[in-house]
Amino acid sequence: GEDVEQSLFLSVREGDSSVINCTYTDSSSTYLYWYKQEPGAGLQLLTYIFSNMDMKQDQRLTVLLNKKDKHLSLRIADTQTGDSAIYFCAENNNAGNMLTFGGGTRLMVKP
Amino acid sequence: SAVISQKPSRDICQRGTSLTIQCQVDSQVTMMFWYRQQPGQSLTLIATANQGSEATYESGFVIDKFPISRPNLTFSTLTVSNMSPEDSSIYLCSGQGTNTGELFFGEGSRLTVL
Repeated sequence: GEDVEQSLFLSVREGDSSVINCTYTDSSSTYLYWYKQEPGAGLQLLTYIFSNMDMKQDQRLTVLLNKKDKHLSLRIADTQTGDSAIYFCAENNNAGNMLTFGGGTRLMVKP
Repeated sequence: SAVISQKPSRDICQRGTSLTIQCQVDSQVTMMFWYRQQPGQSLTLIATANQGSEATYESGFVIDKFPISRPNLTFSTLTVSNMSPEDSSIYLCSGQGTNTGELFFGEGSRLTVL
């Protein structure tokens, strides 16, 4: 079955860039997603990338996709304390209906 | 994007009781799903809520424990039956958009079972 792996924890200083990494196993994924979960809240879709792209930029967010290595990353430029949250990557399955989520990376931003 | 509302947002329940969580979507979505997120964990899919028919459950989840209804395209309920402390968790409703298959989530219902 599909498997999505993320590192558990990342700590950065305010103003630095954050890079959150994700690896997946399903080579047939069509879309890959990044979600943000703040304490006590649901998941907020941050961005997504189509599998035939290798980069997507959206304001402070840059998504890089290495399809050969099945590696996805999310770079947050000029990280702010409000970016502190858990970040989940996810991929859709063959049928495109269900998403498989990684375990989440807790980002802590120090002032 | 779809806006998904869940209620209750949180509840404290007694062992052996049941609680129904409601989920309302502000626009039509193709699929609706229910997830569980145990403390400090990722999301686990409980079931796909099918409109007008029985939900499709994932391995480890059964209808008797988690009955689900979806009477129309924009509304679904999940009941957590005969609760035990192990059911303490966040339960998340989600709807699938038609753009990229992205999922939109409600704010979650945090249940604590004593």
